Amino acid sequence: GQQVMQIPQYQHVQEGEDFTTYCNSSTTLSNIQWYKQRPGGHPVFLIQLVKSGEVKKQKRLTFQFGEAKKNSSLHITATQTTDVGTYFCAGRSNDYKLSFGAGTTVTVRA
Amino acid sequence: DGGITQSPKYLFRKEGQNVTLSCEQNLNHDAMYWYRQDPGQGLRLIYYSQIVNDFQKGDIAEGYSVSREKKESFPLTVTSAQKNPTAFYLCASSIKGNNQPQHFGDGTRLSIL
Repeated sequence: GQQVMQIPQYQHVQEGEDFTTYCNSSTTLSNIQWYKQRPGGHPVFLIQLVKSGEVKKQKRLTFQFGEAKKNSSLHITATQTTDVGTYFCAGRSNDYKLSFGAGTTVTVRA
Repeated sequence: DGGITQSPKYLFRKEGQNVTLSCEQNLNHDAMYWYRQDPGQGLRLIYYSQIVNDFQKGDIAEGYSVSREKKESFPLTVTSAQKNPTAFYLCASSIKGNNQPQHFGDGTRLSIL
């Protein structure tokens, strides 16, 4: 079955620094979604990428979908304490099911 | 306000007992999902339903059962056959279709006594 691998599992960042989390799928995806889960909370939808090579930005967050539609990345610039949480990518093939990566848990040193 | 309500927030199960987790949504979404979240493993799909009176097994359906008698409700039963039920359970819903985001409830944390 489809597998979505996400690295790194943990990211400890100094406030103000940049970081990137990566997602790789074993199969070609029709789309990929990104979610953020704050500590003690539930996943909240951030964005969806559909087209090959697509790049979308949300303020300090930049999301990218690979040309082959098998990988994606989330880059955060100038990390703030509000960025703390776990970021999940979730890939979809040709059915209604989303396959979630294991997530990248981000902590920020002030 | 529209949203997804899961109850209870915390649940304890005795050995050999079945327990049912509630999930209700007032978003008028056709599709509903149940996920299990364990530390370091992300979300794994248990069951999903795209329409009333129909549901499909996800990746880890063994030891679980669901029903979808009403559009707004998708209860999950954790049966005694599930030998490792301790986890955080998340219910989600979405508009039917391949390009729709999922909206999650606050979750139920199930523990074994």
